[in-house]
Amino acid sequence: GQNIDQPTEMTATEGAIVQINCTYQTSGFNGLFWYQQHAGEAPTFLSYNVLDGLEEKGRFSSFLSRSKGYSYLLLKELQMKDSASYLCAVPPWAGNNRKLIWGLGTSLAVNP
Amino acid sequence: DGGITQSPKYLFRKEGQNVTLSCEQNLNHDAMYWYRQDPGQGLRLIYYSQIVNDFQKGDIAEGYSVSREKKESFPLTVTSAQKNPTAFYLCASSWAGGATEAFFGQGTRLTVV
Repeated sequence: GQNIDQPTEMTATEGAIVQINCTYQTSGFNGLFWYQQHAGEAPTFLSYNVLDGLEEKGRFSSFLSRSKGYSYLLLKELQMKDSASYLCAVPPWAGNNRKLIWGLGTSLAVNP
Repeated sequence: DGGITQSPKYLFRKEGQNVTLSCEQNLNHDAMYWYRQDPGQGLRLIYYSQIVNDFQKGDIAEGYSVSREKKESFPLTVTSAQKNPTAFYLCASSWAGGATEAFFGQGTRLTVV
């Protein structure tokens, strides 16, 4: 089967660094997405990793290890506005199936 | 500006009534999707469409119907057969191909009383 696991909730302090993990089990692999979703709003794209390693985009970085079925999102210099849910998603491996497989999301609370 | 638009943002309906949620995109995307989101349950796929005049059931299609008569539009009807319709509904679109970023509309919060 195909499955994605993320921690349900995390708490961090403003200015700190937090790492949000995602593990996946899929029949094949075609990359991994991270999205941010503020309460009551639509998810917005953060990153897409298809090769192993760390990709940095400003305060946010995303890491992938295909051999371990593991990814993490690293948020540096946390700000209050980073309080949101972070969703990990894996696209279909092959064929005409367009159904992304979504994790349940990690709700991050940033405290002053 | 290109984007994907859902309307309305908030919708109230009486139990037993059908209701249609609008989704329009001007990104020229082939694929469109409808998701339902409930607290603690993540995004669940209702229906998706990869091309005009064709659509596929997702994981929770019962009680819902869709149409894809135009590339730009993918309306979702929540029928009276849907047992628990109160939820946050999200429409998304993407280019053809599995590993492409999905763009989301602002969402419609449907409350059935």
